[in-house]
Amino acid sequence: EPEVTQTPSHQVTQMGQEVILRCVPISNHLYFYWYRQILGQKVEFLVSFYNNEISEKSEIFDDQFSVERPDGSNFTLKIRSTKLEDSAMYFCASSLPGQKFNTQYFGPGTRLTVL
Amino acid sequence: RKEVEQDPGPFNVPEGATVAFNCTYSNSASQSFFWYRQDCRKEPKLLMSVYSSGNEDGRFTAQLNRASQYISLLIRDSKLSDSATYLCVVNIGGGGNKLTFGTGTQLKVEL
Repeated sequence: EPEVTQTPSHQVTQMGQEVILRCVPISNHLYFYWYRQILGQKVEFLVSFYNNEISEKSEIFDDQFSVERPDGSNFTLKIRSTKLEDSAMYFCASSLPGQKFNTQYFGPGTRLTVL
Repeated sequence: RKEVEQDPGPFNVPEGATVAFNCTYSNSASQSFFWYRQDCRKEPKLLMSVYSSGNEDGRFTAQLNRASQYISLLIRDSKLSDSATYLCVVNIGGGGNKLTFGTGTQLKVEL
């Protein structure tokens, strides 16, 4: 069964550093997403991406965040200058429009720790 | 009012028990509804989509009441492996296809 994959599984960084989180969505999917989950809290939407542009973003997704699909398979989330409060689990997801309910499938996540 | 509200639990039940989880959502324009399961420190995994007419998948039954903005999940004959957090998830539609999650209801199935 096709899966969303993410690398790295755990990233530790110093406050103020840039990080890039990588995702490989399911190969025939066309919608891509990033969500985050701070420890002990609910999963929160960050951004959705379709047809090489952002379709929706949340208030969390400020100027420090950016997304890119640099090639036909990868989807990345960049945080330019990390803050302590960016420490969270970051989940990538993908979906296929036209499939009933446009169901989103999640990757295993990258745990980001900002020190 | 929270966008998606769930009882956080935990629900501690014996193996073989039937357990029901409830969820309410605030946006009447919501278009699609899901139950996801999340194990500790893992990704959300789709358990089932929720159809307007209600639907069943093995031991799991989901119901939707649009008038009351209420979603339920019933688990029959609980197994130890059902222990997890159950997330009520709503898609209000729109171009971004954003999912809104509840905080989750924790289930612990015990011997």
